[in-house]
Amino acid sequence: KAGVTQTPRYLIKTRGQQVTLSCSPISGHRSVSWYQQTPGQGLQFLFEYFSETQRNKGNFPGRFSGRQFSNSRSEMNVSTLELGDSALYLCASSVGQLMNTEAFFGQGTRLTVV
Amino acid sequence: ELKVEQNPLFLSMQEGKNYTIYCNYSTTSDRLYWYRQDPGKSLESLFVLLSNGAVKQEGRLMASLDTKARLSTLHITAAVHDLSATYFCAVDKGRSNYKLTFGKGTLLTVNP
Repeated sequence: KAGVTQTPRYLIKTRGQQVTLSCSPISGHRSVSWYQQTPGQGLQFLFEYFSETQRNKGNFPGRFSGRQFSNSRSEMNVSTLELGDSALYLCASSVGQLMNTEAFFGQGTRLTVV
Repeated sequence: ELKVEQNPLFLSMQEGKNYTIYCNYSTTSDRLYWYRQDPGKSLESLFVLLSNGAVKQEGRLMASLDTKARLSTLHITAAVHDLSATYFCAVDKGRSNYKLTFGKGTLLTVNP
């Protein structure tokens, strides 16, 4: 069974640019969540999508956005990149049903903003 | 706002010894998770604890949950070097679902 796939694995971008990250969940999983991991702030929730709808959102500025497609694949976009956006971005997939809540994480995309 | 506190944040222990990592959280929650992260790698799910009194064991690791005390513990028995990693607990408030709040993590180093 294939796991959660994130692409690309590494990115280097310049301040002011924008970036799009992709996450393909485990087959059959309809929920995709995104997290930002930094040494200073730790793991922080960005947003969660289920069946193409954003169900939950964390406390991040509007520069961070996402979407989910009908095949459950999700993309995350960050516009007007800042140095502080450098982080490991992790996505997690789960079935999305109330009683089945285990989340499986992808390998992450390491974004470096210079 | 839900807060999750882990302690200790750093743990250096000898092989063969036992130790416990603590995870306190601030508001009622239905679900608690433990994850392991190796350097540069993703998060590996270790345990999902769903109810008060839940205890789960896998190899040298055992996790428990006390919802009344808002406390979970991860107990390490007879540590081995391969257990060296960062361990995170995470809490899901339940009704909001799929919005995990993580502790800062415990960096465990097991020395030969």
